[in-house]
Amino acid sequence: AQSVTQLGSHVSVSEGALVLLRCNYSSSVPPYLFWYVQYPNQGLQLLLKYTSAATLVKGINDFEAEFKKSETSFHLTKPSAHMSDAAEYFCAVRQAAGNKLTFGGGTRVLVKP
Amino acid sequence: GAGVSQSPSNKVTEKGKDVELRCDPISGHTALYWYRQSLGQGLEFLIYFQGNSAPDKSGLPSDRFSAERTGGSVSTLTIQRTQQEDSAVYLCASSLGQNQPQHFGDGTRLSIL
Repeated sequence: AQSVTQLGSHVSVSEGALVLLRCNYSSSVPPYLFWYVQYPNQGLQLLLKYTSAATLVKGINDFEAEFKKSETSFHLTKPSAHMSDAAEYFCAVRQAAGNKLTFGGGTRVLVKP
Repeated sequence: GAGVSQSPSNKVTEKGKDVELRCDPISGHTALYWYRQSLGQGLEFLIYFQGNSAPDKSGLPSDRFSAERTGGSVSTLTIQRTQQEDSAVYLCASSLGQNQPQHFGDGTRLSIL
């Protein structure tokens, strides 16, 4: 069974600093990979997705993620954190022939002024 | 345009009662998914509907859980004889098709007393 591991359940960054959220997946074949963001009392909003095209994927709000097959990783970055980036972020994987998403445990981001 | 709509947004009920949670997917989306988000288990897949195909029920935790999707649109998730461990946020998502990104509703927060 595939799994997703997000390193660090909580991350604290200063406003303007780099945001780096780590995601590793276990899969026998390259899957589809996603990053979602969840604001308090809301559902999940898609930030970006990897679907075997370019390995560097750009998403909304200046987020991007790089797929590295050799490391089975799909880390999320943003060059400069904004206060509005405070939220919980989820990495998810779906097999090419599958339908359901398998989520990591989530990383809650705190942005300090 | 309208997103995925879930109702009620909050539900409090007594242990042993039955509950019904409703999901209105985005118009034209043929795929519909239910997930559960709880403190102990994170985000878990429950069930998936795609068009007129038989649903994938592999994520339902027990036979107290069931779901239906009438007319290929609205879906209802039913939990019978609720238990305290059923307390969670139930999220619905829809997508244009099996391999398309999933769009989430804001969820129903279920509390079992």
